[in-house]
Amino acid sequence: KAGVTQTPRYLIKTRGQQVTLSCSPISGHRSVSWYQQTPGQGLQFLFEYFSETQRNKGNFPGRFSGRQFSNSRSEMNVSTLELGDSALYLCASSLNPGLAEETQYFGPGTRLLVL
Amino acid sequence: AQSVTQPDIHITVSEGASLELRCNYSYGATPYLFWYVQSPGQGLQLLLKYFSGDTLVQGIKGFEAEFKRSQSSFNLRKPSVHWSDAAEYFCAVGFADFGNEKLTFGTGTRLTIIP
Repeated sequence: KAGVTQTPRYLIKTRGQQVTLSCSPISGHRSVSWYQQTPGQGLQFLFEYFSETQRNKGNFPGRFSGRQFSNSRSEMNVSTLELGDSALYLCASSLNPGLAEETQYFGPGTRLLVL
Repeated sequence: AQSVTQPDIHITVSEGASLELRCNYSYGATPYLFWYVQSPGQGLQLLLKYFSGDTLVQGIKGFEAEFKRSQSSFNLRKPSVHWSDAAEYFCAVGFADFGNEKLTFGTGTRLTIIP
């Protein structure tokens, strides 16, 4: 069974631009979560989607948004990019929703560099 | 507030030596506990998890972890490390409290293996 895939793997943008990252979960997994990983802040939860609805949201500004499609694929969007948005963005899928108890399977991440 | 602490930022061990990585949490009830490993440029891979039952949990790659309620700890161990174990290790704790779910990661412990 194929793992979680994320595209693109690397991305360079400039301040003020917007970016869309894509995530395809493991086949049969219905929940997708997004995380931001930076050397300074570590791994921080962005949001969780299930059945095309946002179930949970972390403490990020409204510039960060996401959505989930009927096939469970998910996208996240960051508008008006700032230098501090440079990070590795990780997507994780799980069979069922539930941040606390469900095992998350992570993709390789998209590394975003904002210049 | 709930929290996760990995007190060791960086650990260096010799190949073949034993390993213990520490993880402590702060939460009023028993949380869901996970250990993940991240190799350079990669996403996170689940090593093992604890939900309930036997407090000694076996994982992949020869790792095990022990949940100690009295110490609020979930330390990861391996009797003999291999050079391929060099990576960053993250403890994660899932809390579900009155409908509010949260998955919190520790700051990680970077493991270096010397020949």
